[in-house]
Amino acid sequence: QKEVEQDPGPLSVPEGAIVSLNCTYSNSAFQYFMWYRQYSRKGPELLMYTYSSGNKEDGRFTAQVDKSSKYISLFIRDSQPSDSATYLCAMSAQDDYKLSFGAGTTVTVRA
Amino acid sequence: DSGVTQTPKHLITATGQRVTLRCSPRSGDLSVYWYQQSLDQGLQFLIQYYNGEERAKGNILERFSAQQFPDLHSELNLSSLELGDSALYFCASSPGGETQYFGPGTRLLVL
Repeated sequence: QKEVEQDPGPLSVPEGAIVSLNCTYSNSAFQYFMWYRQYSRKGPELLMYTYSSGNKEDGRFTAQVDKSSKYISLFIRDSQPSDSATYLCAMSAQDDYKLSFGAGTTVTVRA
Repeated sequence: DSGVTQTPKHLITATGQRVTLRCSPRSGDLSVYWYQQSLDQGLQFLIQYYNGEERAKGNILERFSAQQFPDLHSELNLSSLELGDSALYFCASSPGGETQYFGPGTRLLVL
């Protein structure tokens, strides 16, 4: 079993829809949780960063962390065709900054 | 643009050869991380340097080595290349905390 599980999709939604992405993990030492966006095998771009449990909102993006369930989510509201990309969850433990990544979910937003 | 630069962008070489990938971190960032992204393994952590010293190692092959120089740029050396080493290699940097900023990557093709 992988340390971080993420459904690779693909996920196709119409423009304006809410995109819901999630990851589960097995390592209870993980404290830092991130979402990255990657276009066409370019470098991953940091979207959201959350420490421990809770919610964080940034514009159209909301990240949620539930450590009791070892489950993290990313929601994209009012999705746009420019949001079409692969979304990667990543996490790390306290004082151990190497990131463990999910497989990535490929999202297509249809105009 | 993350501020992390990587050269070269593309590299085509033959099995058994040796190559060097170069990374310049964001201004002021002391930590450099190397990751490998392949279709079957996803993004995998290779190695981390902090201010010139090796800080953490992942599943890095013995044929691979890295170093960080006094000006904080880093090089990843891959030797005795095999077909399976074909992948995207990313460098990321951070100021020492949890958030990592990725470069555009080097696409390596071993023929």
